[in-house]
Amino acid sequence: SQQGEEDPQALSIQEGENATMNCSYKTSINNLQWYRQNSGRGLVHLILIRSNEREKHSGRLRVTLDTSKKSSSLLITASRAADTASYFCATGGAGNMLTFGGGTRLMVKP
Amino acid sequence: NAGVMQNPRHLVRRRGQEARLRCSPMKGHSHVYWYRQLPEEGLKFMVYLQKENIIDESGMPKERFSAEFPKEGPSILRIQQVVRGDSAAYFCASSRPNESGEKLFFGSGTQLSVL
Repeated sequence: SQQGEEDPQALSIQEGENATMNCSYKTSINNLQWYRQNSGRGLVHLILIRSNEREKHSGRLRVTLDTSKKSSSLLITASRAADTASYFCATGGAGNMLTFGGGTRLMVKP
Repeated sequence: NAGVMQNPRHLVRRRGQEARLRCSPMKGHSHVYWYRQLPEEGLKFMVYLQKENIIDESGMPKERFSAEFPKEGPSILRIQQVVRGDSAAYFCASSRPNESGEKLFFGSGTQLSVL
């Protein structure tokens, strides 16, 4: 089974609204990352948060991490139609590879 | 500075044929990862390689699949005697030597279709 599980699986909002996606994982981690994937394309790294960090910002992105609950959230503020994509969380643990969740498909309607 | 290059972009094979997928990592990256993605699903880890070494192949099917990353040239993911269930998008990613397990740079993927 996947290490990370995103919630919701699909999200539809209007342009200008905020979008919140959640990720839960099962084992201990060194870091948690969020990636974006446009249809038919590869993944693009958005942001990385380490296990000793609680919150991180990058532009319109805000990521939180709660290691006691083994969960993370990605907030996209003031969404735009161009934010329409699938968003994946990925966890880095003791090994060197990342384990990805099933993703949240975000649609932002203009 | 070119990104991770994968080719071909699309590959069509008949059942029983061989599929060879190529990946050239970003310049300066010596770690390569292969992932498989089915429609509407996340990426599933297959194998992690460094130059001339397989580091972790825990996600590779035991039969028909193999991967290499030679000293010179691209990394190759090879699927022998393909079956319809092998149809998927295969993504390669690379990272810097001191950033394994951290930020990955992905290629655009190879879409394999088995007829």
